[in-house]
Amino acid sequence: EAQVTQNPRYLITVTGKKLTVTCSQNMNHEYMSWYRQDPGLGLRQIYYSMNVEVTDKGDVPEGYKVSRKEKRNFPLILESPSPNQTSLYFCASRPRDVLSGNTIYFGEGSWLTVV
Amino acid sequence: GIQVEQSPPDLILQEGANSTLRCNFSDSVNNLQWFHQNPWGQLINLFYIPSGTKQNGRLSATTVATERYSLLYISSSQTTDSGVYFCAGYYGGATNKLIFGTGTLLAVQP
Repeated sequence: EAQVTQNPRYLITVTGKKLTVTCSQNMNHEYMSWYRQDPGLGLRQIYYSMNVEVTDKGDVPEGYKVSRKEKRNFPLILESPSPNQTSLYFCASRPRDVLSGNTIYFGEGSWLTVV
Repeated sequence: GIQVEQSPPDLILQEGANSTLRCNFSDSVNNLQWFHQNPWGQLINLFYIPSGTKQNGRLSATTVATERYSLLYISSSQTTDSGVYFCAGYYGGATNKLIFGTGTLLAVQP
């Protein structure tokens, strides 16, 4: 089954305690991306990766890091989380080519609360 | 700037009713798609619809790219249709980021 798997799904953490949200896909997709969703602001892209070792900033990259050492994994790292990073996070993946209608797949979301 | 606007912002239906959701996009948007976010937060891809019409069961979608709008039709609505519906697309030649609409919150009452 085609899947994008995120972990953890739910997390409450404290300010400043480093955390990593993992993302793994089993479809051999080149493209992966992270979004955050906030009330009134919709979904905004944090980082994306077009292939292994290729990453770039999205609209709201401050406070986040990513890495793409393997094709299947794209972890999101919060080095020093702050309360304004409390959000619902989504990982997504798809094939590199979009114009032929390749579907984008989203993970189930990770609810993160920073206190 | 690039905008993807949806209407209505929210909608309450009785089970069995039909509805039409609209998505207007302000500039050349490629690869228009519709998503459903269920009450548990999961995002499901409903349609890839850059132009023309597609149908999947009780749902169908139409995009008129030259007039920069797309419509999502829900017929014989069920309580499981509740959630938020988003349209999204890639702007111009950039395929690195999906630009999401503002969403339509749908509540289907039994």
